Amino acid sequence: DAGVIQSPRHEVTEMGQEVTLRCKPISGHDYLFWYRQTMMRGLELLIYFNNNVPIDDSGMPEDRFSAKMPNASFSTLKIQPSEPRDSAVYFCASSLAGLGDLHGYTFGSGTRLTVV
Amino acid sequence: AQKITQTQPGMFVQEKEAVTLDCTYDTSDPSYGLFWYKQPSSGEMIFLIYQGSYDQQNATEGRYSLNFQKARKSANLVISASQLGDSAMYFCAMRGINFGNEKLTFGTGTRLTIIP
Repeated sequence: DAGVIQSPRHEVTEMGQEVTLRCKPISGHDYLFWYRQTMMRGLELLIYFNNNVPIDDSGMPEDRFSAKMPNASFSTLKIQPSEPRDSAVYFCASSLAGLGDLHGYTFGSGTRLTVV
Repeated sequence: AQKITQTQPGMFVQEKEAVTLDCTYDTSDPSYGLFWYKQPSSGEMIFLIYQGSYDQQNATEGRYSLNFQKARKSANLVISASQLGDSAMYFCAMRGINFGNEKLTFGTGTRLTIIP
């Protein structure tokens, strides 16, 4: 299994530009999560999906952020327009349903976003 | 709501000594799972160990063990015989069973530095 695949690994963009982050979860996993990590706020959940349906998007900072999961094997997180304060590492993670998943949540390698 | 508290921002430990990283939690879910993740300087999130709230025995994975005290709502990570490669950030996390609590909630982390 290739694990959770995120692209790009690094993104540098100018303020005001649209940014799209991509994620391919592990095949068969029911849940997909988008997290953001910054020094100031730590790891914070942005949104998560169950069977491609958004369950909780209360962590999405504002209307500039949107996320989609058109099918079980692909999700995007879009920021439009981007701002310098959006600079962070964005992680995608996937998991199986149920508390019995002893292997936890599998994280992708993250996308380091820099908005200048 | 779920909450994870890690009170040790940083720790310095001599190589080969055992180290305990503290974690306390709060939740209203009757069942929940507790996780520890390691984040080395390279940035990836590495799953270490899992403890289910109804597990009778403390979880162990190689040099990692989880000291689970349910009544005290604590889930401390113990690393035996520490190695230089253990230097990293360590995050405690939990998820619940109720709808909407399937997400991982993270603590603020502890930066562990192993001294040769």
